[in-house]
Amino acid sequence: SQTIHQWPATLVQPVGSPLSLECTVEGTSNPNLYWYRQAAGRGLQLLFYSVGIGQISSEVPQNLSASRPQDRQFILSSKKLLLSDSGFYLCAWSVLKGGGYTFGSGTRLTVV
Amino acid sequence: TQLLEQSPQFLSIQEGENLTVYCNSSSVFSSLQWYRQEPGEGPVLLVTVVTGGEVKKLKRLTFQFGDARKDSSLHITAAQPGDTGLYLCAGADTGRRALTFGSGTRLQVQP
Repeated sequence: SQTIHQWPATLVQPVGSPLSLECTVEGTSNPNLYWYRQAAGRGLQLLFYSVGIGQISSEVPQNLSASRPQDRQFILSSKKLLLSDSGFYLCAWSVLKGGGYTFGSGTRLTVV
Repeated sequence: TQLLEQSPQFLSIQEGENLTVYCNSSSVFSSLQWYRQEPGEGPVLLVTVVTGGEVKKLKRLTFQFGDARKDSSLHITAAQPGDTGLYLCAGADTGRRALTFGSGTRLQVQP
């Protein structure tokens, strides 16, 4: 069966520090991968998506970046965090464009 | 930019009541999905509707896709405390690789 792992679950980082969030998928090949950010109790904002290794599309210009070094690995990074980067970050995968998403359990990031 | 607006934003009801949540857009979607999310967890897919006018039932939950594929509704019959959570609709269209999510409806069912 397919599973998605996202870590860490919670993170408290000072302003200006770097960030690396990792997401891995098991049990499937060539998934579409996504990073979303969610404000408290609200909808999801798409940050990045990837349809293959090394292929990253950015939806929102900001100080975050994403990479896909392996087929089932998706990494969200920042060189210098801002207070406004705080939020709940969710990784997701799907097989088909427009198909249902399977989400990870999320990372709660607090920038202080 | 495609937008999906959900209403109401927040709903607090008593166990046993019925409710309807709406998801509206000015854009046409090829399919629409509904998710439920519990605090501190990722959203979980409930249903996907594809055809205009389509109605799908999942136990006490009834989902409908509008005839023009611009809107959808979720109706819950005899709500239970276990239905508590954030309900999100999400639309897919042929021009975008990723889903567009609505703003969410937070449902609280009091025992």
